[in-house]
Amino acid sequence: EAGVVQSPRYKIIEKKQPVAFWCNPISGHNTLYWYLQNLGQGPELLIRYENEEAVDDSQLPKDRFSAERLKGVDSTLKIQPAELGDSAVYLCASSLTSGTYNEQFFGPGTRLTVL
Amino acid sequence: RKEVEQDPGPFNVPEGATVAFNCTYSNSASQSFFWYRQDCRKEPKLLMSVYSSGNEDGRFTAQLNRASQYISLLIRDSKLSDSATYLCVVPRVDSSYKLIFGSGTRLLVRP
Repeated sequence: EAGVVQSPRYKIIEKKQPVAFWCNPISGHNTLYWYLQNLGQGPELLIRYENEEAVDDSQLPKDRFSAERLKGVDSTLKIQPAELGDSAVYLCASSLTSGTYNEQFFGPGTRLTVL
Repeated sequence: RKEVEQDPGPFNVPEGATVAFNCTYSNSASQSFFWYRQDCRKEPKLLMSVYSSGNEDGRFTAQLNRASQYISLLIRDSKLSDSATYLCVVPRVDSSYKLIFGSGTRLLVRP
C-alpha cells in the first residue's frame, strides 16, 4: 500500500516568492494534517482537515499561508509571500479518522529553503 | 513550562548497551502517549503507544509514571540501526486530538 506522497521533496526559492506543496494521503484516510518542523524541533501542527473541512487551523499564519483540500483527498499548502523564517520541513500526515488512537502516518516532507 | 520536554542529547552509546531517556509532560490529565522515531532527514514513524502503565515490544520498553508526569523509553541491546531521534508525543486533552511533539532525543549507537 502506498504511503503518504508529497511533492516536491525539495524547494529553494527567494524571499517574497510564492511556493506550494502538494500532499496525497493514504487511500481511505479521511483526516489530513500539515505540520511544520524546524531543525532540532518536533513537528508542529499547522492545519487539520476532516475530509474537505479545515477543523483546526489555529496555528496557520493566515496572512501568508493558505491550504485547501477541495475534494477531501489530496491537499495543497501555499505560502505567499515566503519569508526567510519559513525555511523548514513541511510534513503532511494522514489518519483513518481523527482521534487520539488513530495512528498518524507521515509523508517524507518538503524541505523548503528561502534565500 | 513546555507541554512536552525532552533532553535533546545526543546519547552516545556502544552497541549492546542499554539506554533510557525520559520525557516530561505538563498536563496531569493526559491519558495516552506515544514514542515516534525519526531517522535523519526522514519522516517520523510511530514506535510505541502507551495507554496504561507501560508497553513492551522486543528490545523497547516504554514506562509511564503518572505521579511524576514522565514517560521513559528503554532500549536494550542497542543496535547501530537504533541511531535516530526519538520524539515523545502527548495528545492534547481536549476535542482537538492535537498531538504535541517534544523536540526529540538524539541517540547515536557506535560500533
